[in-house]
Amino acid sequence: EIVLTQSPGTLSLSPGERATLSCRASQTVWSSRLAWFQQKPGQAPRLLIYGASSRATGIPDRFSGSGSGTDFTLTISRLEPEDFAVYYCQQYGNSPYTFGRGTKLEIK
Amino acid sequence: QVQLVESGGGVVQPGGSLRLSCAASGFTVSSNGMHWVRQAPGKGLEWVTVISSDGSTKYYVDSVKGRFTISRDSSQNTLYLQMNSLRTEDTAVYYCTGPIAEGLWGQGTLVTVSS
Repeated sequence: EIVLTQSPGTLSLSPGERATLSCRASQTVWSSRLAWFQQKPGQAPRLLIYGASSRATGIPDRFSGSGSGTDFTLTISRLEPEDFAVYYCQQYGNSPYTFGRGTKLEIK
Repeated sequence: QVQLVESGGGVVQPGGSLRLSCAASGFTVSSNGMHWVRQAPGKGLEWVTVISSDGSTKYYVDSVKGRFTISRDSSQNTLYLQMNSLRTEDTAVYYCTGPIAEGLWGQGTLVTVSS
């Protein structure tokens, strides 16, 4: 089973700042099958990035994903008020298709 | 409009059974790999199971193997999750999803396992 470690657990930033979220895998993620999701309270997760770096439909270009192998990053270039939420990474290269434990992005 | 709508959640005693349904519209369940993902109250996301697009392959997380079964009915365009021998730790909101890279999720259905 691939274990995904997300860091930091909580990130406190202000609107307009840049956010960098990390997702490290315990072994290579096959074919960079790594997705990022955003979740707000009471809502289903929303896909932001798939294939490590491809933006999902309708996702603003301030969200970008990068990385390969075992190290992946989600960057939000300039935080908007609606970006404060919990972010999860998921690998879907090998079953079980594990999630990280999440990074909570909170307003400073 | 493309959407997935889950149903079938509720309160069940430990050791009991439930069957969750996920009805699709604007989207063909039998042509796509379909997943169930759950989220315990106040916790993170946990992937549970997948059925491949041709229906020949099913994978499960270890904690539900032998107790949960994923299936689909193409005539009803519906995905199912049969849950047997339920435990208190199965309490969660259960989401059905389409292919991960397509980002199609239902709104979730709450399963509470409690005596």
